[in-house]
Amino acid sequence: QVQLQESGPGLVKPSETLSLTCTVSGASVSSSTYYWSWIRQPPGKGLEWIGYIYASGSTNYNPSLKSRVTISVDTPKNQFSLNLNSVTAADSAVYYCARDYGNPWGQGTLVTVSS
Amino acid sequence: QLVLTQSPSASASLGASVKLTCTLSSGHSIYAIAWHQQQPEKGPRYLMKVHSDGTHDKGDDIPDRFSGSISGADRYLTISSLQSGDEGDYYCQTWGSGIPVVFGGGTKLTVL
Repeated sequence: QVQLQESGPGLVKPSETLSLTCTVSGASVSSSTYYWSWIRQPPGKGLEWIGYIYASGSTNYNPSLKSRVTISVDTPKNQFSLNLNSVTAADSAVYYCARDYGNPWGQGTLVTVSS
Repeated sequence: QLVLTQSPSASASLGASVKLTCTLSSGHSIYAIAWHQQQPEKGPRYLMKVHSDGTHDKGDDIPDRFSGSISGADRYLTISSLQSGDEGDYYCQTWGSGIPVVFGGGTKLTVL
């Protein structure tokens, strides 16, 4: 059974970089069959796609976040990561990782941007 | 531009059936979509992928009460024998090669 688990700081200061890691079990991030996604959900709002990465390193980012986002993959650790720089309060959200289009999702981690 | 449109809310009685709709924007009627369920205070759960030919691939442990179908640019999620645990938000999502992934705004389902 494929499982994903997000990890990282729950509190980030404005203007700093938000960094999260997704650890995958039951599947390999090095597989060329799938891509690995990040999605977020601000409190009380809908889902917003952030971006995804293939094992090859090829990425696709949300145009509205592209200038601030980097997604990378670490095949030896079977993990992939999200960096979002220059954060503001508007980046406060539950952040989810997922395989492909969400099959399956991680449980999510709340990140608050505040000084 | 690829857009998914969902009604903000839907309701149906306990034990009845409900059909949720997700509409693809003009010119995009061949796209597959995925349906996700988000129960209150929980993370999203993958329900199924609905292909452009109307077939669907369900996620692990998704009951037979959940089914998908299509008509033109419309993608449907039908839930039969509604239970109180089916209450929550339902999101559709689509994607394409090299283009941004898109989520619909979600439909809040109330079981009466």
